[in-house]
Amino acid sequence: EADIYQTPRYLVIGTGKKITLECSQTMGHDKMYWYQQDPGMELHLIHYSYGVNSTEKGDLSSESTVSRIRTEHFPLTLESARPSHTSQYLCASSEFFEGARTEAFFGQGTRLTVV
Amino acid sequence: AQTVTQSQPEMSVQEAETVTLSCTYDTSESDYYLFWYKQPPSRQMILVIRQEAYKQQNATENRFSVNFQKAAKSFSLKISDSQLGDAAMYFCAYRKLEPLGGADGLTFGKGTHLIIQP
Repeated sequence: EADIYQTPRYLVIGTGKKITLECSQTMGHDKMYWYQQDPGMELHLIHYSYGVNSTEKGDLSSESTVSRIRTEHFPLTLESARPSHTSQYLCASSEFFEGARTEAFFGQGTRLTVV
Repeated sequence: AQTVTQSQPEMSVQEAETVTLSCTYDTSESDYYLFWYKQPPSRQMILVIRQEAYKQQNATENRFSVNFQKAAKSFSLKISDSQLGDAAMYFCAYRKLEPLGGADGLTFGKGTHLIIQP
């Protein structure tokens, strides 16, 4: 079992609310990622980080924001949730060294429904 | 940009039989990694097998093996002696090698839903 945890597992929230999806890993990985998985199961990278104070946007544009104040913690925030944000969000981490060649470990995901 | 294509949205196989899941990808890179991930219903995505592009030998992990054809940009997964626990979504993924600070997130295919018939 990978030591990467996401909370909550399921969240139903009203439009306009601010939400934060939590992601923590205990493996000491420098690299962390957020993927959005649509109902058709396709995954898209929305944010990534190489370490503390490093955050970058991924391939898919997202209204969410992320922060990386601690190595083990990579929360994702939506300031004002909308129904279009309804999706599954997967957090992942991997090791980081020059020519990094390791796989990513995934959390169990947060299934977000905005009503 | 890299793309990964899984042309089989769903596959079904009898328990104990062998099944092959297809994956093709497009890249201009010469060195990269390829992965197969498994996502059981409501459970974590886990790595099944990985292949380094510079290695000609196909990767094998117990009942799982790949057929890596670099020139054809093909990376299929073969599951032998299928078991009920193999039922899941299977994703093929590509990861390029980037110098320090480059973007190296996984690019996924759309997945293949594998059904195991008892």
